Formats: sequence, structure tokens, C-alpha cells
Amino acid sequence: NAGVTQTPKFRILKIGQSMTLQCTQDMNHNYMYWYRQDPGMGLKLIYYSVGAGITDKGEVPNGYNVSRSTTEDFPLRLELAAPSQTSVYFCASTHIRSAIYFGEGSWLTVV
Amino acid sequence: TQLLEQSPQFLSIQEGENLTVYCNSSSVFSSLQWYRQEPGEGPVLLVTVVTGGEVKKLKRLTFQFGDARKDSSLHITAAQPGDTGLYLCAGAPPTSGTYKYIFGTGTRLKVLA
Repeated sequence: NAGVTQTPKFRILKIGQSMTLQCTQDMNHNYMYWYRQDPGMGLKLIYYSVGAGITDKGEVPNGYNVSRSTTEDFPLRLELAAPSQTSVYFCASTHIRSAIYFGEGSWLTVV
Repeated sequence: TQLLEQSPQFLSIQEGENLTVYCNSSSVFSSLQWYRQEPGEGPVLLVTVVTGGEVKKLKRLTFQFGDARKDSSLHITAAQPGDTGLYLCAGAPPTSGTYKYIFGTGTRLKVLA
């Protein structure tokens, strides 16, 4: 079972570069999320989506953009990368009254 | 402002000891979830509590939802090294949509053999 798949696993970016973190889920979940986790800390919600074509800001959306053209895919775009965006990023999805299922994480370093 | 505050932030105990982790909020939640995260992995669901005053047990772990549904606790009896990890509570604040899940600040537990 694939579950939630996110790529890349590791990436080093230079300040000012842009990149897209890919996320896909094969569980037909309507709800998808992007979180970031700084070392030793909890997860902060960046953006979320309740269905294809619908996205909304989370707790820390600045510097990021998302799109949800299909139920399966929820890419996260970083524009003009900054050192403050160095973090571990988790994509997740869930269904009604269900657990949140997470991808394996993407380690991003901005130098 | 952090909607879900966890305490303690760090906990290091000996094998066999008991411990309690707290998740507190000033907001009422329709439900709270508890997750455990191991290094290099995503969080994994332990339990969901829904009813005020509810108590759920998962082997040596006991979860309680406060009567007012503003807080929850996780109690581990006779902790083992395998319990080591980051414990996170999560919920969707009622004023922000049913599925806008946010996470608590986390409690990092280390159980020493």
C-alpha cells in the first residue's frame, strides 16, 4: 500500500531559488495537508485542502503556495527560498473521522 | 498564539516509571487525537477521543478527554524504552472548519533502560 507519497526526500536549495514538493495519495481522501516541523518541535500547518479545487491557509502560509487540481495530488511550491524555510515538510491526508496519514517527510535545507 | 499547548516539553525517565503528558487549550474541540512520532518518520495515530470525560486505554497507555473538551492527557504506566518518541496531540479548532487539523507543541519522551 503506497498511502501518501512525497518527493523529494532530501533537497538543498540556495537562497532565492524556487522548488515544488510533490505529494500524492492513493486512498481517495478528500482532505490533504502540508505541515512543516522544525527540529524538536511540533507540526505547523502550512496549507490544507478539503477537495479538488479548494485550498486554504493554515498557521504559517507565508512564502508557500499550493494547488489541488486532482483528489490525489497536492503539491507545495516554495517561491524565493529563505533560510527560515529550512525544515522537514510532511504531506498528509485524511477522510471523515479517520486518522491523518503522513508521508515520510521531505528534508529541505536553504543555504 | 499556540492553540494546543503540551507539557512537559521534554521528559526523561527510567524504565518502569509512570508518566503523564498534558494537552491543553482555551478552545473547545469536538475531538482530539494523539500521535506518536519516531525519528525520521511521520506521526502515527494512537487514539481519538470524542466525548467529554472519555477514557480510552491502549495497552499501557491511558488517554482522557477533559469534561469541557478543552484538554486531554496521556498516561503511560511502566514505561519501556520502546515508548521513546515525540507525542503530539492534534485537533480541528471548531471555529476554523472541521478538518483544519493543528498539532500541539509536542512532548519528547526518552525512556532509559
